Amino acid sequence: DAGVTQSPTHLIKTRGQQVTLRCSPKSGHDTVSWYQQALGQGPQFIFQYYEEEERQRGNFPDRFSGHQFPNYSSELNVNALLLGDSALYLCASSEQPGSETQYFGPGTRLLVL
Amino acid sequence: KQEVTQIPAALSVPEGENLVLNCSFTDSAIYNLQWFRQDPGKGLTSLLLIQSSQREQTSGRLNASLDKSSGRSTLYIAASQPGDSATYLCAVRDSSASKIIFGSGTRLSIRP
Repeated sequence: DAGVTQSPTHLIKTRGQQVTLRCSPKSGHDTVSWYQQALGQGPQFIFQYYEEEERQRGNFPDRFSGHQFPNYSSELNVNALLLGDSALYLCASSEQPGSETQYFGPGTRLLVL
Repeated sequence: KQEVTQIPAALSVPEGENLVLNCSFTDSAIYNLQWFRQDPGKGLTSLLLIQSSQREQTSGRLNASLDKSSGRSTLYIAASQPGDSATYLCAVRDSSASKIIFGSGTRLSIRP
């Protein structure tokens, strides 16, 4: 079992660009959540996807959007990148939306210059 | 609005010591509380999960306690080892069992 995988591992973009991050959930999991972790801070919840729909959303602007595919994998898209979007983006999967146990991927480190 | 605070932000102790990491939260109406470990640049690994009705959980050298009424949790690490060096994050799930709110973490360094 490969666990939760994320790609790419690192990414450098410039202000105003758009970025897409990808996540494949752990086998048997159908729910994917995304988190943003700024340096020295705890992760902040962005949104959760289940059955190809956004089910919950944290306090993030519309520049942050996502998608879930029929195979349960997910993408996080960020438009009009700002310097403050530089962070580690973590994906977590679970068996269902309210599941107590989430398995986290290694994250994608995004640097916006 | 739920806020989670972890003190201290960083801690360095010699190998073999027992230590306590602290976590406090502002809203006692939680579903559960979880402690995670994060190695540099890596994802999170769940260590212990305490349901709102429980007082503590133990796993090996780790013991986590929960006092909901006072909004506090502690993570006790016995006989610390250099391999315990990591950032430890506390997270609470709200009473609707939906969102998870994380603290900023305690960066722990165990000196050989």
